[in-house]
Amino acid sequence: AQKITQTQPGMFVQEKEAVTLDCTYDTSDPSYGLFWYKQPSSGEMIFLIYQGSYDQQNATEGRYSLNFQKARKSANLVISASQLGDSAMYFCAMREGFSGGYNKLIFGAGTRLAVHP
Amino acid sequence: DGGITQSPKYLFRKEGQNVTLSCEQNLNHDAMYWYRQDPGQGLRLIYYSQIVNDFQKGDIAEGYSVSREKKESFPLTVTSAQKNPTAFYLCASSRGQGNNQPQHFGDGTRLSIL
Repeated sequence: AQKITQTQPGMFVQEKEAVTLDCTYDTSDPSYGLFWYKQPSSGEMIFLIYQGSYDQQNATEGRYSLNFQKARKSANLVISASQLGDSAMYFCAMREGFSGGYNKLIFGAGTRLAVHP
Repeated sequence: DGGITQSPKYLFRKEGQNVTLSCEQNLNHDAMYWYRQDPGQGLRLIYYSQIVNDFQKGDIAEGYSVSREKKESFPLTVTSAQKNPTAFYLCASSRGQGNNQPQHFGDGTRLSIL
């Protein structure tokens, strides 16, 4: 069974609008972490935002926020005021448990975001 | 500046040949990782290392080998046993301590078969 599901292969948004990228996850571990990464066409993976399973508040980092709904097992990324430079692949990833400091990540298939002027 | 350096950026392999991808980090991170990315897909873990002289297989280790002789370096060898090596390879590192430590990635190596 897929641990991380990103149901939107592609999304487009108008510049300056907000966009939500969906991510659902599956785990029975009470302790886990959720990460979002951005991959521009050049290939590098850029860390955007983190949400821990015990965090009471939704994570925010500048224009990025995470809509964390624990009961629904969803961790959607919201990008506000989209910019042309936001066009990229976006990956949701999960770390399960905490085993001696090792952070094994499981990645979703990604969503390609295109920002139109 | 601190970061992760992968080399080469592009690599071509002939049939039956082993090739080695370099990954160096100066972030003083304990843990290092190798991922494979196929077109239109997410990342899959090949090998990881939590500490020098120790490493474990990830989800798709067959046909690959690694070493971790120095904290800064985690080279990946794609052996001739890997029948479908064409992919984008990403190296990452993390502090290894704490649930919220993100993995930091290099710029990747694109490997193709000649």
